[in-house]
Amino acid sequence: AQSVTQPDIHITVSEGASLELRCNYSYGATPYLFWYVQSPGQGLQLLLKYFSGDTLVQGIKGFEAEFKRSQSSFNLRKPSVHWSDAAEYFCAVGPVSGGYQKVTFGTGTKLQVIP
Amino acid sequence: DTGVSQNPRHKITKRGQNVTFRCDPISEHNRLYWYRQTLGQGPEFLTYFQNEAQLEKSRLLSDRFSAERPKGSFSTLEIQRTEQGDSAMYLCASSQNKESQESTDTQYFGPGTRLTVL
Repeated sequence: AQSVTQPDIHITVSEGASLELRCNYSYGATPYLFWYVQSPGQGLQLLLKYFSGDTLVQGIKGFEAEFKRSQSSFNLRKPSVHWSDAAEYFCAVGPVSGGYQKVTFGTGTKLQVIP
Repeated sequence: DTGVSQNPRHKITKRGQNVTFRCDPISEHNRLYWYRQTLGQGPEFLTYFQNEAQLEKSRLLSDRFSAERPKGSFSTLEIQRTEQGDSAMYLCASSQNKESQESTDTQYFGPGTRLTVL
């Protein structure tokens, strides 16, 4: 069964500092990988996704993520965090095949940005 | 593209009452999903439609839960005889299957319906 681990429940960074949110997955092959962001009381917005090809993926709002097969990781990064980035971030994994759609989400990392 | 919409945004009900939520997907999307999200957790898959056909249901979806997608457009999720444990955010997502039938699509989420059962 596929699974996603986000080891950091809560992260605090200073505005302007760099950010890296960790995501590790368990899956029998290379899955599809996603990062979503959720602001308080809101639905999820897709930041970026990895299906195949270049392992460094660029997303919206200046975010990027790197797929590392050897480490089963898909960490999210941003070089300079803005106060508006404060939100909860979810990593998700989906099967490449399987006959139906089932995306599994991690438990999320809550990002706090301090001035 | 108006995005995925959900109504109502908030619902407060008493234990034992029935509630129904509506989801309107992005118009050209043929796949629709329901998730449940509780505090401190990621979304958990409940069920999935391709057009009007309900193709998968999670074990989380007890007999009190039913979902429909008539005509393959909007969808409703009904919870009968609500329990306090049903309190959660119910998220709807939709996607367009452009690749092979078995591939994973990018899912676009609505704002959710927050249910509180007193």
